Amino acid sequence: QQQVKQSPQSLIVQKGGISIINCAYENTAFDYFPWYQQFPGKGPALLIAIRPDVSEKKEGRFTISFNKSAKQFSLHIMDSQPGDSATYFCAATEPSGSRLTFGEGTQLTVNP
Amino acid sequence: DVKVTQSSRYLVKRTGEKVFLECVQDMDHENMFWYRQDPGLGLRLIYFSYDVKMKEKGDIPEGYSVSREKKERFSLILESASTNQTSMYLCASSFPGQVNSPLHFGNGTRLTVT
Repeated sequence: QQQVKQSPQSLIVQKGGISIINCAYENTAFDYFPWYQQFPGKGPALLIAIRPDVSEKKEGRFTISFNKSAKQFSLHIMDSQPGDSATYFCAATEPSGSRLTFGEGTQLTVNP
Repeated sequence: DVKVTQSSRYLVKRTGEKVFLECVQDMDHENMFWYRQDPGLGLRLIYFSYDVKMKEKGDIPEGYSVSREKKERFSLILESASTNQTSMYLCASSFPGQVNSPLHFGNGTRLTVT
């Protein structure tokens, strides 16, 4: 049973466009929501993360929006670039430890 | 930079073989994890360890076991490989006690069981 649901499974965006990936969770005990980015042939790496006490966090072209009442959070990539082409995973964890629950992943392709 | 090294990039094994996947990290992390990655299913936790000789089952432990004899090394064992264990296996490590501590992943081992 997937505790974190991610959509879409794949996404194609033109260079300069906005990429949006959505995640929803069930467990209200989750209190830390990171996004990981994975390039082909590499392991995932932390991209950006948010705690539920804020509704938005921005780092450069990457923004997380968080809606606690709806139990949803999303990643927005502004001015998407071909170098952003990768697989993106949302995740969530409880306060008790380091164990992450991941979403299904989204394969993003940014066309030049 | 944290480095998590998985000993094999690709492995091909036969059904019924005992398979060892090795992982070593160089940052003195207490926490170590084994995930498998399958298209459409994301990253699923197999086993994890918070200390030497300690292990806990993740979400899909059936058919797997682990060994952590030294802090820096965490091994995943497939006791009798089956074709449904064909997958990408990812090892990760992190500091303990910090919720914000990121996972550092290796580059994965792609295992094919024929």
